[in-house]
Amino acid sequence: GAVVSQHPSWVICKSGTSVKIECRSLDFQATTMFWYRQFPKQSLMLMATSNEGSKATYEQGVEKDKFLINHASLTLSTLTVTSAHPEDSSFYICSARDGTSFEQFFGPGTRLTVL
Amino acid sequence: SQKIEQNSEALNIQEGKTATLTCNYTNYSPAYLQWYRQDPGRGPVFLLLIRENEKEKRKERLKVTFDTTLKQSLFHITASQPADSATYLCALDLGGNTPLVFGKGTRLSVIA
Repeated sequence: GAVVSQHPSWVICKSGTSVKIECRSLDFQATTMFWYRQFPKQSLMLMATSNEGSKATYEQGVEKDKFLINHASLTLSTLTVTSAHPEDSSFYICSARDGTSFEQFFGPGTRLTVL
Repeated sequence: SQKIEQNSEALNIQEGKTATLTCNYTNYSPAYLQWYRQDPGRGPVFLLLIRENEKEKRKERLKVTFDTTLKQSLFHITASQPADSATYLCALDLGGNTPLVFGKGTRLSVIA
């Protein structure tokens, strides 16, 4: 199956710093990627839909100025958590849809811990 | 209101038996339905996609059915193994570039 990669797989940072997470579709082009966060033992929570070449669409309650999303190419989307705080500590996962098969593939996730 | 439900939060079965997981939905018209496996601390792994005009799809020990009249999908794992223990998620795919709508998942435990 298709592969979606995320980098880094885990990051620990101090409160107030910004963290960038990259999501790449390795063997297909993705005009749309999705960003999720997941707290322990809870369901995936959609944060935003990232569209190549245009602004992301954020879900209600997700601060767009805090979670900056850039989808500069058909294979790369980035999520930047700005001025991170301990409550932003979570598991962040991206996904990308293969426009040919319509199957949607997820990255392995990024564990963010803010001290 | 729109709902998607995976009927069991947890399911325990004996090794070698067939596990059957259920996904029901209300007030949606999905173009596709996708099933995923998620292990703790990992992103979901794609398993199968079934289209609205397909009744059944198989992949190795996995079988998915999709009944658009009943608004239900069944996910079967035959000859289950302890390594199949994980959380299984069903997701409605409404088509276009819309996000998947996920169920809460069923945690499957296969006991040796």
